[in-house]
Amino acid sequence: AQSVAQPEDQVNVAEGNPLTVKCTYSVSGNPYLFWYVQYPNRGLQFLLKYITGDNLVKGSYGFEAEFNKSQTSFHLKKPSALVSDSALYFCAVKQRGSYIPTFGRGTSLIVHP
Amino acid sequence: EAQVTQNPRYLITVTGKKLTVTCSQNMNHEYMSWYRQDPGLGLRQIYYSMNVEVTDKGDVPEGYKVSRKEKRNFPLILESPSPNQTSLYFCASSSGTGPTYEQYFGPGTRLTVT
Repeated sequence: AQSVAQPEDQVNVAEGNPLTVKCTYSVSGNPYLFWYVQYPNRGLQFLLKYITGDNLVKGSYGFEAEFNKSQTSFHLKKPSALVSDSALYFCAVKQRGSYIPTFGRGTSLIVHP
Repeated sequence: EAQVTQNPRYLITVTGKKLTVTCSQNMNHEYMSWYRQDPGLGLRQIYYSMNVEVTDKGDVPEGYKVSRKEKRNFPLILESPSPNQTSLYFCASSSGTGPTYEQYFGPGTRLTVT
């Protein structure tokens, strides 16, 4: 079985500060990990994914994520937050042979001016 | 413009009145799926399709039907809606069927069943 956890319902950060949105996962075998962002009244947009290779993955809008196999984590990061980054962020995982992704509950990121 | 479209965007209906939410993608994607989004539960997959005439259940299929007669369309059917199906629904597609492919989402359909 596969599962994913986003331990924080909400993350608050000041504009210009670094941000981290946490995600941990559980799968059988190697994971395929994804981050999506949802702006108000919009569908989810793909940000980045980890399939294999370099543990640091770079994605859209200056976001990056670090895959840590020993800690089974895939935290989303950005060096300098923007007010426009305020949105709902979802982590998702799939394992080999799975056609159904499992999404986390989402983390609301609020960037204060 | 490459996109996934859904109609309607908002729908209020009554218990038991059959409804269909349409989904269409113009990217020639093989894989399409339906999700519902509920507060505190994230997204849960209802059904998915790996190609024309190939559909399978996701995590929460009860009360829903789908069909995939054409590659671009994947309608979601609620034959007898109930209030517990009040939710935000998303259609999504991806270019491949394997686990490494990301998905492209439609704008969502907010359904209220009274």
